[in-house]
Amino acid sequence: DGGITQSPKYLFRKEGQNVTLSCEQNLNHDAMYWYRQDPGQGLRLIYYSQIVNDFQKGDIAEGYSVSREKKESFPLTVTSAQKNPTAFYLCASSIQRLVGELFFGEGSRLTVL
Amino acid sequence: AQTVTQSQPEMSVQEAETVTLSCTYDTSESDYYLFWYKQPPSRQMILVIRQEAYKQQNATENRFSVNFQKAAKSFSLKISDSQLGDAAMYFCAYEGRDDKIIFGKGTRLHILP
Repeated sequence: DGGITQSPKYLFRKEGQNVTLSCEQNLNHDAMYWYRQDPGQGLRLIYYSQIVNDFQKGDIAEGYSVSREKKESFPLTVTSAQKNPTAFYLCASSIQRLVGELFFGEGSRLTVL
Repeated sequence: AQTVTQSQPEMSVQEAETVTLSCTYDTSESDYYLFWYKQPPSRQMILVIRQEAYKQQNATENRFSVNFQKAAKSFSLKISDSQLGDAAMYFCAYEGRDDKIIFGKGTRLHILP
């Protein structure tokens, strides 16, 4: 079945360590997105990519990095520069711009110890 | 920059009754999409309904309908015949020409049996 796969579902990290969250889609979608969800904050956009080898910063990109080397994959690295990384992270994809409908993965819960 | 505001952090409705969730947005664009997404306790986000700004007719999907007031920049969601399975977080979202899809902070809907 087509869909978006995020891994790992749960992740624990020590302070000062980088961690990479995986996001893979087999929907043949051009656009991919990373959101961060915190209680009472809704979903905030971290990075998004409309095409391979290109991506743009969202509203809260500081302390995060991404790559888009393949259409199917859009990994997110949470670096040690991110001051408050404990959160729920959601990856999504859509067919193309201004078409709408995001398809979401099941999310990754990152906890910094 | 575009913003999306959901002024009701939580709402409750009796089963089988009708409830309306509010959403306002701010934009200078004339061409955009608006969405309502549902996030049940499983945290898997799913699209409820979509509205293209150029369409005057309000979108409807079974028990879900919207009241789109473009001049007022208002986009409310009406749920008719509320069911226990409707209990979830509901997010209003905006997609504009810059390809960013931004979300409001959400409204938690409780269904009272």
